Amino acid sequence: AQKVTQAQTEISVVEKEDVTLDCVYETRDTTYYLFWYKQPPSGELVFLIRRNSFDEQNEISGRYSWNFQKSTSSFNFTITASQVVDSAVYFCALSAISSGSARQLTFGSGTQLTVLP
Amino acid sequence: ETGVTQSPTHLIKTRGQQVTLRCSSQSGHNTVSWYQQALGQGPQFIFQYYREEENGRGNFPPRFSGLQFPNYSSELNVNALELDDSALYLCASRFGLNNEQFFGPGTRLTVL
Repeated sequence: AQKVTQAQTEISVVEKEDVTLDCVYETRDTTYYLFWYKQPPSGELVFLIRRNSFDEQNEISGRYSWNFQKSTSSFNFTITASQVVDSAVYFCALSAISSGSARQLTFGSGTQLTVLP
Repeated sequence: ETGVTQSPTHLIKTRGQQVTLRCSSQSGHNTVSWYQQALGQGPQFIFQYYREEENGRGNFPPRFSGLQFPNYSSELNVNALELDDSALYLCASRFGLNNEQFFGPGTRLTVL
């Protein structure tokens, strides 16, 4: 069985601060995918990144960066120079072979990020 | 914009009624999944359809059922509604089983 833990329920920062959202996962599979999604108040889940278990290189996309560490089963997400528009709920998710043929996503409980002006 | 649409946006039903929620996937996406998201929680997998056949199901009772049509649309049906069925229902589509899923805006269901 898979499990994703996002221990930070809510984070509040002031605009232009850097913020890191933590994600810890559990799976017995050696092949799996990790994801981050953003959910603004409108409700739609916006895909941010997918990373497979064989690629531990950190990734940077503009103000976003991701730190994948298999040794600690963590896939953390950092927003640099945060902006008010970054305010949303962020979900970390896992998809593994043992999910079955559906390869469904197992989500964490989410982190509510509020960026204050 | 993900190209995935859902209808209706909001719905209010009473306990014991039946409801049908609809999803229109991106053209070419042969896989559609449905998720239930209760308030303050992450989405929970309900089931998935691949080429019009159910190929995976989460921990949901049989009163949750679905259909997928050749025109990339799909339905989620819930019978004998219970109060705990109140949630945001999200559909997600993708091509194949290993690519990222694109989510629709959801249907907010309230059961009174």
